Amino acid sequence: EAQVTQNPRYLITVTGKKLTVTCSQNMNHEYMSWYRQDPGLGLRQIYYSMNVEVTDKGDVPEGYKVSRKEKRNFPLILESPSPNQTSLYFCASMSGRPTDTQYFGPGTRLTVL
Amino acid sequence: AQSVAQPEDQVNVAEGNPLTVKCTYSVSGNPYLFWYVQYPNRGLQFLLKYITGDNLVKGSYGFEAEFNKSQTSFHLKKPSALVSDSALYFCAVRDIEGTYKYIFGTGTRLKVLA
Repeated sequence: EAQVTQNPRYLITVTGKKLTVTCSQNMNHEYMSWYRQDPGLGLRQIYYSMNVEVTDKGDVPEGYKVSRKEKRNFPLILESPSPNQTSLYFCASMSGRPTDTQYFGPGTRLTVL
Repeated sequence: AQSVAQPEDQVNVAEGNPLTVKCTYSVSGNPYLFWYVQYPNRGLQFLLKYITGDNLVKGSYGFEAEFNKSQTSFHLKKPSALVSDSALYFCAVRDIEGTYKYIFGTGTRLKVLA
């Protein structure tokens, strides 16, 4: 089954404790992206990647890091989480065709205390 | 800069009545436009998109949207609403000439009343 998976689905952590949210897709997609969803703000793009070793900033990249060492994986790294990063995070993937649509993962709900 | 506006936080409609969820956009060039739906505790699912061609786009679950270039709008419509259509709807835009940055609207919660 074609899918985007994220782990963990739920995470409660404390300020300053480094964490990684993993994202994996099995569709051989070139493009992957991370978003955060906050009430009243909709989805905002954090980072995206056009292919292995190619990443670029979205609208809200501060406080986040990403890497794309393999085509199928695109982890989101919070080096020193803060409470304002409490949010619902979505990973998405898409083929390289510019007219294609994004496929979203189930989401990761992160709480930073 | 790209932007998307969904002016209504919530839309209520009676089951069986037509529904409209509004979206306006701003891009520097020509847009790719998308509608996604989010059901409770789920990720976003693709509904429909406008790339080029016919201004009336048909999508999943009986939804359609009309691209209006002069009004820079891409409103989502359905002739007869179902209770099961109740969800959060997002409009999104990508500048066809630009990067692969996507801008999403703030979302509109649709509530279909039985």
